[in-house]
Amino acid sequence: DAKTTQPPSMDCAEGRAANLPCNHSTISGNEYVYWYRQIHSQGPQYIIHGLKNNETNEMASLIITEDRKSSTLILPHATLRDTAVYYCIVRALNDYKLSFGAGTTVTVRA
Amino acid sequence: EAQVTQNPRYLITVTGKKLTVTCSQNMNHEYMSWYRQDPGLGLRQIYYSMNVEVTDKGDVPEGYKVSRKEKRNFPLILESPSPNQTSLYFCASSLFGQAENIQYFGAGTRLSVL
Repeated sequence: DAKTTQPPSMDCAEGRAANLPCNHSTISGNEYVYWYRQIHSQGPQYIIHGLKNNETNEMASLIITEDRKSSTLILPHATLRDTAVYYCIVRALNDYKLSFGAGTTVTVRA
Repeated sequence: EAQVTQNPRYLITVTGKKLTVTCSQNMNHEYMSWYRQDPGLGLRQIYYSMNVEVTDKGDVPEGYKVSRKEKRNFPLILESPSPNQTSLYFCASSLFGQAENIQYFGAGTRLSVL
């Protein structure tokens, strides 16, 4: 799997958008970008994934640069319940193991 | 409701006393996996299973056993627990062979070995 780099922490005001960056400069053509989050020692939760195009679902949006070397997860209207560790993971289709790095600890403040 | 269920959620035991942590999923997933999470080390894979009767070691398999006799169940067995196995454990499952597989995690089992 390609290595990912995320900032260790970031703060966000409640109701504002949270933009979480991730660098994956060694990503291969067949590797997807996945985002998971873990709320205070609960099981990790899938958020979103993408290959080339930007993606949006009910939880977040994923913006992938044209060269695919970096991406940004956007939480459009952060709430206190979004406080969690967010993991950016890159993996190929046939690789079922998730390699979690340190992630970004996001704290949403009232 | 689709879910991965682990039991027990909390367990305190003593060194050498065999224990089993159960994991069950109701999504008919082929792939199942166990992870442990420790401060500063993140989540590390212990064992995984691609289907019934097919299991393989992950990154940190020492001191653990697994079995996959039924598709829905994937128990984690500690034959002789030691204090260094004190950790937070997660079971996960996903479909196999899908183009974009998503893993679903259980709520976790916090184990303390005294």
